[in-house]
Amino acid sequence: GIQVEQSPPDLILQEGANSTLRCNFSDSVNNLQWFHQNPWGQLINLFYIPSGTKQNGRLSATTVATERYSLLYISSSQTTDSGVYFCAVAGNSGNTPLVFGKGTRLSVIA
Amino acid sequence: DVKVTQSSRYLVKRTGEKVFLECVQDMDHENMFWYRQDPGLGLRLIYFSYDVKMKEKGDIPEGYSVSREKKERFSLILESASTNQTSMYLCASSFTGAESYEQYFGPGTRLTVT
Repeated sequence: GIQVEQSPPDLILQEGANSTLRCNFSDSVNNLQWFHQNPWGQLINLFYIPSGTKQNGRLSATTVATERYSLLYISSSQTTDSGVYFCAVAGNSGNTPLVFGKGTRLSVIA
Repeated sequence: DVKVTQSSRYLVKRTGEKVFLECVQDMDHENMFWYRQDPGLGLRLIYFSYDVKMKEKGDIPEGYSVSREKKERFSLILESASTNQTSMYLCASSFTGAESYEQYFGPGTRLTVT
């Protein structure tokens, strides 16, 4: 099955700094999503981005499907950005269940 | 907005009990999924369903069963709860159509089996 690798596993930032999180996947995909897991455990949808580039406020994401990677950019980080960021993918029809990476744990300190 | 709800945020059960975790979505999604999340192991798929009364095993179905009698509701059943089923359980749903395969998650249920 598809393998998903995220890097770095841990990241500590000063408030206001920028960061880039990376997701590599091993096969072609029809679904790629970025999530932020909040302290209560809920997965918050950030981006649905099987290809291309999207932006939402201070966050943006790019997926280069032909090279099998995706990047999540966080600019001007805030303490509320802390948490675990997951990349998840699905191949084939796209209706198949998501395969998750192990996540990047981000800590933003004031 | 898509809404996926789960019956409990926190649940404590005893070993051997039969446990029901309920998930309801309000967007008429065809697909529904149950995952569990454990430290060091990440999120793993237990069961999923493409339609009413249909179910497919995921990566770790042992000790679990599911029920989907109505399109909006997908239940996860622990037939005889064991301590190794202490975990965070997450339900998700999505459309079948090619316009978007985006999955939406519920708030999760933290289950403790003592």
